[in-house]
Amino acid sequence: GENVEQHPSTLSVQEGDSAVIKCTYSDSASNYFPWYKQELGKRPQLIIDIRSNVGEKKDQRIAVTLNKTAKHFSLHITETQPEDSAVYFCAASSQAGTALIFGKGTTLSVSS
Amino acid sequence: DAGITQSPRYKITETGRQVTLMCHQTWSHSYMFWYRQDLGHGLRLIYYSAAADITDKGEVPDGYVVSRSKTENFPLTLESATRSQTSVYFCASSELSGGAGEQFFGPGTRLTVL
Repeated sequence: GENVEQHPSTLSVQEGDSAVIKCTYSDSASNYFPWYKQELGKRPQLIIDIRSNVGEKKDQRIAVTLNKTAKHFSLHITETQPEDSAVYFCAASSQAGTALIFGKGTTLSVSS
Repeated sequence: DAGITQSPRYKITETGRQVTLMCHQTWSHSYMFWYRQDLGHGLRLIYYSAAADITDKGEVPDGYVVSRSKTENFPLTLESATRSQTSVYFCASSELSGGAGEQFFGPGTRLTVL
């Protein structure tokens, strides 16, 4: 079945360091790849997304890269800050394009 | 700015009881979704709806029923609650199809089944 694998499950960095979270997806028909951030006790919120016709997208300290051939995409956070501490979910569109398949999440901890 | 709301926010019930979780959005989004979030499993899709009176199963639909008589409401019913349905439930809505654009999540309902 359709599947999205996300690594690592936990990530601890020092403030100012970079953080990278990687995801792989199984369905070559997937064409939309969003990343959601969920702070403790809050709802998931979209932070950045990328479509299959683009290889990289950047928004200030956050960037996402996509390698369609290898079926993997990554989230890069530079100059991390304590407020970046949260659970991050990657997702890929389903084959039918009607839903998102989410990874299991990465808990990022940024210590000052 | 109401956006998308869920009620109740917290619910404790007993095995075998029927429970309905409510979801309401004010954006007139066509698409609405129900997810459950469990530690180690991320977000799993239960049901989704493309419009009023159009619903379809997601990854984990067993034990759940949905309806959508109005665009703005998408209730989720557990017909006979089981302990394995203890979870945090998120409703979401989207202007575009589920796999095409941003989904906006509600605040969640924490359900405990004793």
